[in-house]
Amino acid sequence: GEDVEQSLFLSVREGDSSVINCTYTDSSSTYLYWYKQEPGAGLQLLTYIFSNMDMKQDQRLTVLLNKKDKHLSLRIADTQTGDSAIYFCAERRDSSYKLIFGSGTRLLVRP
Amino acid sequence: ETGVTQTPRHLVMGMTNKKSLKCEQHLGHNAMYWYKQSAKKPLELMFVYSLEERVENNSVPSRFSPECPNSSHLFLHLHTLQPEDSALYLCASSQVASGIKFFGPGTRLTVL
Repeated sequence: GEDVEQSLFLSVREGDSSVINCTYTDSSSTYLYWYKQEPGAGLQLLTYIFSNMDMKQDQRLTVLLNKKDKHLSLRIADTQTGDSAIYFCAERRDSSYKLIFGSGTRLLVRP
Repeated sequence: ETGVTQTPRHLVMGMTNKKSLKCEQHLGHNAMYWYKQSAKKPLELMFVYSLEERVENNSVPSRFSPECPNSSHLFLHLHTLQPEDSALYLCASSQVASGIKFFGPGTRLTVL
């Protein structure tokens, strides 16, 4: 199937690390993306990883890709209240225009 | 203005109205997209324009009609909508050769 799956909700305490997980189905995916959506706003690209990479780090963000298990994760270090948002993972297959999005994980950061 | 802008931000319309959503990108991109975001459903790609030509139309009802007059502007014309069409409509743009998309803030549409 086409599904990209994510857990719906994650709650963490401010200063802790957050890990948001995603599974996808198509082994031909070339790029995988993480987008953030704050209330009342559109999606903002956070980071992306090419399928031949295992890991990518960008400041507080670490993306891990397990291609064998088709599992993608986003780790946010030192999570802040401003990180509260919905996080979407998306996969791009080959050269398709289409991104297949997950349903999003709502991250709540408690003070 | 920078990035991708959308107007209006909020729209309430009756089922017999005709309205249009507007999107403008200031990024020099050559592909533009309409997405629909409904509660508890994944983002749905509606239309894709590449180099001002429509290249994808994902079985969207004809009451939604896109228009791309140039590479910077994209419209979504709406007529005789149904209440289930109420959603957040997001516009995005990208370079054709890149999958990295930049999204606008969306138009929150309510159909009464």
